[in-house]
Formats: sequence, structure tokens, C-alpha cells
Amino acid sequence: DQQVKQNSPSLSVQEGRISILNCDYTNSMFDYFLWYKKYPAEGPTFLISISSIKDKNEDGRFTVFLNKSAKHLSLHIVPSQPGDSAVYFCAASVNNNNDMRFGAGTRLTVKP
Amino acid sequence: DAGVTQSPTHLIKTRGQQVTLRCSPKSGHDTVSWYQQALGQGPQFIFQYYEEEERQRGNFPDRFSGHQFPNYSSELNVNALLLGDSALYLCASSLDGQDYGYTFGSGTRLTVV
Repeated sequence: DQQVKQNSPSLSVQEGRISILNCDYTNSMFDYFLWYKKYPAEGPTFLISISSIKDKNEDGRFTVFLNKSAKHLSLHIVPSQPGDSAVYFCAASVNNNNDMRFGAGTRLTVKP
Repeated sequence: DAGVTQSPTHLIKTRGQQVTLRCSPKSGHDTVSWYQQALGQGPQFIFQYYEEEERQRGNFPDRFSGHQFPNYSSELNVNALLLGDSALYLCASSLDGQDYGYTFGSGTRLTVV
């Protein structure tokens, strides 16, 4: 069951511009959301998270927005850098449950 | 500071065989989770080990079993391998009680032929 969906398998942006990665979920019980970044031949790396009591969390160039009514979250990267090129996974969980559900990932390419 | 290490990095097995994958958590971490990532999909939770016991399990059959040792390292065992078990198996470690931010290893690529 695809409870977490990333409908864009790939995204290409120019260096310096904004990258927006989207994620939708179906389970209204999810209350914690995370983004992971994955480079080839490496494991996913935790990037940023947000609790359902917030609608925004910011960490440097990375900001995650949560719209609970739409069951949608997004990751904004500003400004985008070539080193940001990677696969980004969205993940969600219930009550800090360890059974995180991941989306299929979006491959971001930032062109110089 | 070594992160999560997994071994082997690649292996090929035949249908019906059994396989054991190994994971050493990041220094200071006491909890190990295992994930299966099929091609083109996100990681799927298999189970988590804490204090040498399986604490939680995802939707995987009993053919998938595990173990955690006193030094917090862990093994994932898969019996009666099926072609559909071919995937990247990721181990993630964390410290119990802390926020998310699992540290993942780079995985073991299992191919079943």
C-alpha cells in the first residue's frame, strides 16, 4: 500500500534557483514527516523533519512545509547547488512509530 | 567516527537458499532497523531490534528473521529465498529515545537467481 507518494520521479533545476520536491500521503494518522537524501552507492542521509504540530521547519537552505488538510508536504531548497543532486525520499510515521513509510523518491538534478 | 557498516556489499544467491546479512551500528547507537528497497521504490521497514529483541516488525513473512548481539550489531536472515527478495537491504541505526535521524548504511545488494 502506497501511503506515501512522490509523484515526480525526477526534477531538474538550474543552479541558484529554487528546488521544490513534493510528497503526498494518505494516512491521516501520520504525525511525523522526514526527508532523506541519497547519493549513489550510499545509504539515505537524514535531511530535515517536521512534526504535525508545525506547518514549517527551516534548516539553512532547506525548508519543509506541511499542509495537513491537503495531506501534502514539500521540501524547498534555496538556492539549489550542484551538490544537492541526489535522490530525495519523503517518509512518514505515526506516534514516532519506527515503521517509517517511504515514498519512491525523486531524483533531483541541479545543473551548473 | 565510523558510521553504519554493512557486509557484504553484494551477493548472489539461488532460489531456496538462505542468506545472512550483517550490520554494525554507528558508535553510540543501540537500535538497529532493517529495510528492503526494491528497484525504483522507497525503503520498506522489515523490523527493528533493541536490547537484543525484535521490538517492531513490518509486513514481512517469517522467512525474514533477525538477531541483535550484545555489542548492538545485528544480522538479517532470509530463508527459502525467492526471486522477489532481490533488493537492496539497508540497515539503519539510532539511539533509543532520540528523535529520528536514523543513520543508514550503504546497503547490501542481494540478487536471487
